[in-house]
Amino acid sequence: EPEVTQTPSHQVTQMGQEVILRCVPISNHLYFYWYRQILGQKVEFLVSFYNNEISEKSEIFDDQFSVERPDGSNFTLKIRSTKLEDSAMYFCASRRDRGPNQPQHFGDGTRLSIL
Amino acid sequence: LAKTTQPISMDSYEGQEVNITCSHNNIATNDYITWYQQFPSQGPRFIIQGYKTKVTNEVASLFIPADRKSSTLSLPRVSLSDTAVYYCLVGDRNSGNTPLVFGKGTRLSVIA
Repeated sequence: EPEVTQTPSHQVTQMGQEVILRCVPISNHLYFYWYRQILGQKVEFLVSFYNNEISEKSEIFDDQFSVERPDGSNFTLKIRSTKLEDSAMYFCASRRDRGPNQPQHFGDGTRLSIL
Repeated sequence: LAKTTQPISMDSYEGQEVNITCSHNNIATNDYITWYQQFPSQGPRFIIQGYKTKVTNEVASLFIPADRKSSTLSLPRVSLSDTAVYYCLVGDRNSGNTPLVFGKGTRLSVIA
């Protein structure tokens, strides 16, 4: 069964550094998402992306965050200047279409640790 | 977005059937009900989705009464590997951009 893959599985970065998290969504999917989960807390929506542009974003997704689909397969999340509170699991998800019975499929995440 | 309420935790013995009920009193006409499962340090995994009545797949069944104000996820004969957090989500069936809104979920512990 096709799946969403994320790299790296664990990223350790110094505060203030830029970090790029990478995702390869399922190949025929059209909608892409990033979520994060701080340890012990709920999964929170960051951003959705469709047709090469951001569709919706949450308050968390401020100017420090950006997303890109540089080619036909990768979907990246960049944090420009990381803060301690950015430490979390970051999940990428994709969805084939917007119709019914088209659930979002999640990757297993990147654990981001900011020192 | 309709708010969902589900028990914080449940315990079950191996081999038993587990039913997790979720209430969503202000569900909208276009909303469908989706359940996800999450193991520690993994992403949420889609289990089942439905709009009304009953849906069954190889993993679970989903029961939705006529008023759609609640739904019940049924896991037959659970095993230790079913220990996880289970999330009930409600969202617009026709929207591609609407984000999933996760609550705290139900932490299911299966005991040998």
